[in-house]
Amino acid sequence: GAVVSQHPSRVICKSGTSVKIECRSLDFQATTMFWYRQFPKQSLMLMATSNEGSKATYEQGVEKDKFLINHASLTLSTLTVTSAHPEDSSFYICSAGEDEQFFGPGTRLTVL
Amino acid sequence: GENVEQHPSTLSVQEGDSAVIKCTYSDSASNYFPWYKQELGKGPQLIIDIRSNVGEKKDQRIAVTLNKTAKHFSLHITETQPEDSAVYFCAASWWSFGNEKLTFGTGTRLTIIP
Repeated sequence: GAVVSQHPSRVICKSGTSVKIECRSLDFQATTMFWYRQFPKQSLMLMATSNEGSKATYEQGVEKDKFLINHASLTLSTLTVTSAHPEDSSFYICSAGEDEQFFGPGTRLTVL
Repeated sequence: GENVEQHPSTLSVQEGDSAVIKCTYSDSASNYFPWYKQELGKGPQLIIDIRSNVGEKKDQRIAVTLNKTAKHFSLHITETQPEDSAVYFCAASWWSFGNEKLTFGTGTRLTIIP
């Protein structure tokens, strides 16, 4: 299957700082990428849909000014958690694909 | 949107036995139903999927069945092995703003007892 990578795999930051997470499709082009959040022992919750060359669409309850998404190329989407707080600590996962969704390995964010 | 329910939340089976996980969905327009396996600290891995034009699909020890009338689908794992131990998620698709999105079930923690 297709390969999706994420960087970093884990990040620890202080409260109030911003963190950027990268999602890359390594062997295919992705006009659309999805960002999910997963709290411990819970399911994946779709946060937003990232479309190359246009604004991202956010799911209900997700603050677009807090979770900034940029999809500047067909192989890269970034998620920036602005002014992170401890409640933003979670596992962030991206996915991409056409007929099938392939997931990245996830980024563990811990906000102190 | 879409609402997906998944049962059971935990499942323990003896090695070599079969495991069955069931999901129901709410949106009758859904037409894509993937299953993912997630190991601790990793991203979900697609293990099998089915589209609504078929009722069953099999890939070696893994099979998925779909009943569109009842709006439910199931994952069947036969001859289970210790490496099958993981959390399994079902998902159902829905369309919004021209994108096919996925809603996930709540997950099933499968433990294979050696």
